[in-house]
Amino acid sequence: GQNIDQPTEMTATEGAIVQINCTYQTSGFNGLFWYQQHAGEAPTFLSYNVLDGLEEKGRFSSFLSRSKGYSYLLLKELQMKDSASYLCAVRRYRDDKIIFGKGTRLHILP
Amino acid sequence: GAVVSQHPSWVICKSGTSVKIECRSLDFQATTMFWYRQFPKQSLMLMATSNEGSKATYEQGVEKDKFLINHASLTLSTLTVTSAHPEDSSFYICSASRPSPQETQYFGPGTRLLVL
Repeated sequence: GQNIDQPTEMTATEGAIVQINCTYQTSGFNGLFWYQQHAGEAPTFLSYNVLDGLEEKGRFSSFLSRSKGYSYLLLKELQMKDSASYLCAVRRYRDDKIIFGKGTRLHILP
Repeated sequence: GAVVSQHPSWVICKSGTSVKIECRSLDFQATTMFWYRQFPKQSLMLMATSNEGSKATYEQGVEKDKFLINHASLTLSTLTVTSAHPEDSSFYICSASRPSPQETQYFGPGTRLLVL
């Protein structure tokens, strides 16, 4: 089976840094995705990790530890437009399906 | 980045009618596309996997006769909600896998369905 856990909501201040954690249990792991979703819109791709370590892409970084079943998304220099839901998703090895967590709603305060 | 389109973006229909939603990969070929449904303030729920040239595979609890999927070409998959009911009102999103340069899944903009 699959189980993906991430906090339901987080609040941070404009200009600050926030880390959104995701833990997962899955039978057959083939990569972890992070997506950003603004209200009423479809998700947009942020990052993909399949090997352990940190992937940095501008203000956003994503980390993966396969042995711990753990990932985090790090957002730096927060902007008001970063207010959105952030979805952690795991791809299953056996059929390539991507299963989503419930998402973390991030609120940015001025 | 890759572009996946969906049409229509909004549908309002009467109960009992059928609604077809198209999903297209615009700049790459996708042998596999996925259909998701999302209710307000909930996460995306995978409904089915659409395979080009073969039958779709449905997730547990999804009625295949109600949600008809056709993957007619490497760039087009359609989802038809048959005999729609108000409880089918939701946000339907498709995605397509792009194998290179890094295999990832890109989402269409979604279709919001309201059944009256």
